[in-house]
Amino acid sequence: SQQGEEDPQALSIQEGENATMNCSYKTSINNLQWYRQNSGRGLVHLILIRSNEREKHSGRLRVTLDTSKKSSSLLITASRAADTASYFCASRGIQGAQKLVFGQGTRLTINP
Amino acid sequence: DTEVTQTPKHLVMGMTNKKSLKCEQHMGHRAMYWYKQKAKKPPELMFVYSYEKLSINESVPSRFSPECPNSSLLNLHLHALQPEDSALYLCASSQVGTGTEAFFGQGTRLTVV
Repeated sequence: SQQGEEDPQALSIQEGENATMNCSYKTSINNLQWYRQNSGRGLVHLILIRSNEREKHSGRLRVTLDTSKKSSSLLITASRAADTASYFCASRGIQGAQKLVFGQGTRLTINP
Repeated sequence: DTEVTQTPKHLVMGMTNKKSLKCEQHMGHRAMYWYKQKAKKPPELMFVYSYEKLSINESVPSRFSPECPNSSLLNLHLHALQPEDSALYLCASSQVGTGTEAFFGQGTRLTVV
């Protein structure tokens, strides 16, 4: 199974602080993606990092990928109350690339 | 238009009922997905359609029957469901290929009574 673990499972921080979430996966991947989900509804794509990339930025988001450790991290800087959500990593494998498999997710709470 | 539209938003059905979930996108995506999500769990892949043909079935029970009538529509037919099938059902679409993001609908919250 491609599906890996995310840690922490839950994270609660003060507004303005940085939030870091980690993701591990099991098989070789083509790319790794991060999604956000508010209140158990649809998921929104945040950022995609390819297997030959090590770091990527988008606004307040910074994603790193370490293929030797099969792990990725998502950093949200200067957090806001509106960032409160669940965050999932998802991977597309090299084989069976049509599969998009999600990690366990981190529930992030930003306290005002 | 970057929307994936799912209907209905909520559905309550009895174990002997037959119902269908619908999903529509107009982004020209040729890959469409069904996921099931239980509370506080990640989405679990159920089916993938690629160019309107079923390409992945993750050993889903036959009481769930997917259908892709054309490149914009995806249905999930439900029959003789169990209470444990109650969940959020999410539809997604993407370009076919490896380096692609998926666009998700808002989901159908299904309750089986």
